[in-house]
Amino acid sequence: KAGVTQTPRYLIKTRGQQVTLSCSPISGHRSVSWYQQTPGQGLQFLFEYFSETQRNKGNFPGRFSGRQFSNSRSEMNVSTLELGDSALYLCASSLVRDYEQYFGPGTRLTVT
Amino acid sequence: DAKTTQPNSMESNEEEPVHLPCNHSTISGTDYIHWYRQLPSQGPEYVIHGLTSNVNNRMASLAIAEDRKSSTLILHRATLRDAAVYYCILRDVNKAAGNKLTFGGGTRVLVKP
Repeated sequence: KAGVTQTPRYLIKTRGQQVTLSCSPISGHRSVSWYQQTPGQGLQFLFEYFSETQRNKGNFPGRFSGRQFSNSRSEMNVSTLELGDSALYLCASSLVRDYEQYFGPGTRLTVT
Repeated sequence: DAKTTQPNSMESNEEEPVHLPCNHSTISGTDYIHWYRQLPSQGPEYVIHGLTSNVNNRMASLAIAEDRKSSTLILHRATLRDAAVYYCILRDVNKAAGNKLTFGGGTRVLVKP
């Protein structure tokens, strides 16, 4: 069974631009969560989607948004990029809510 | 969210057991104790979870104190591949938190050959 895949794996953007990251969950998994990892703040929860609906949101500004499609694939978008948005963005999927989660390898975003 | 406290780092010799402590004195009755680990340059991976009783799986064992205010993850025979950051996380399944995981700083485990 294929694991969680994230594309692209690496991305370099300029301040002020926007970016879209993609996550394909494990087949059959309906819950997708996103996390940001930085050296200073560690791993922080961004949001969770289940059945195309955002079920939970972390403490991030409105520039961070996401969506989930009917096939459970998810995208997250960051608008008006700031230098502080440079981070590893991780996606995790699970079979149902409140179950163990499987993480992808992440997308490394660098904002210059 | 109930908070967990872990040592910043631990060292172990290869093929010896590793005991990773986690304190969670404000744990509630519906909090499950989860452990994840993150190998270098990878996303976190699930290790084990439990509620009250000790748990074993192919990766590790979880020993939970009788009052549930602390727990210990046990790696029975450390290998070089076990070098990672280990996170102890509490999840209240009765809340609307759903699949949100609140990560702390974790314990960085160094395994010496």
